[in-house]
Amino acid sequence: AQSVSQHNHHVILSEAASLELGCNYSYGGTVNLFWYVQYPGQHLQLLLKYFSGDPLVKGIKGFEAEFIKSKFSFNLRKPSVQWSDTAEYFCAVNAGNNRKLIWGLGTSLAVNP
Amino acid sequence: EPEVTQTPSHQVTQMGQEVILRCVPISNHLYFYWYRQILGQKVEFLVSFYNNEISEKSEIFDDQFSVERPDGSNFTLKIRSTKLEDSAMYFCASSEGPGGYTFGSGTRLTVV
Repeated sequence: AQSVSQHNHHVILSEAASLELGCNYSYGGTVNLFWYVQYPGQHLQLLLKYFSGDPLVKGIKGFEAEFIKSKFSFNLRKPSVQWSDTAEYFCAVNAGNNRKLIWGLGTSLAVNP
Repeated sequence: EPEVTQTPSHQVTQMGQEVILRCVPISNHLYFYWYRQILGQKVEFLVSFYNNEISEKSEIFDDQFSVERPDGSNFTLKIRSTKLEDSAMYFCASSEGPGGYTFGSGTRLTVV
């Protein structure tokens, strides 16, 4: 069965620190990959997505993610976090022609000012 | 920017009661979904809907659940007889195609 793993459940950083959140999936075929963010009290918002092409994807708010097919990974990065990045981050995958999203458990990021 | 609208934002209901969660997807989207997130757990797929019928459903989506698009704009999720374990955040989403999901702000359902 398809699954998504996010290895860091809780991350605490100081402002200006660099961020990398891990995401691995299990599926051998073509995948579409997503990172969503949920700010406190708000709905899920798309940060970035990968369908095909350049494996380094740039999203909103300075986030980027790199798809490494050989590692089944899609890690999220930001070179310098801000207090306003405090949120829950979710990695999600849909595989092949299947439209449903399979989600990771999420990573709670707290950025201290 | 177009939004998916969900109402109510919070619903409290007694066990055994029926609830209807409402969603207004983006008008030119063709695919509609319900997901839920029980506190502390993963977001889970419930059902997808296309061309006025269910295209896929998860094992969670049993006979107690149903979806409807009654008037071409609303997309509803009905839970016939709620259980305590139905307490969760329910998210509606819509998409034009396989990747352009837009999520609503969610309905927090509390079953007491």
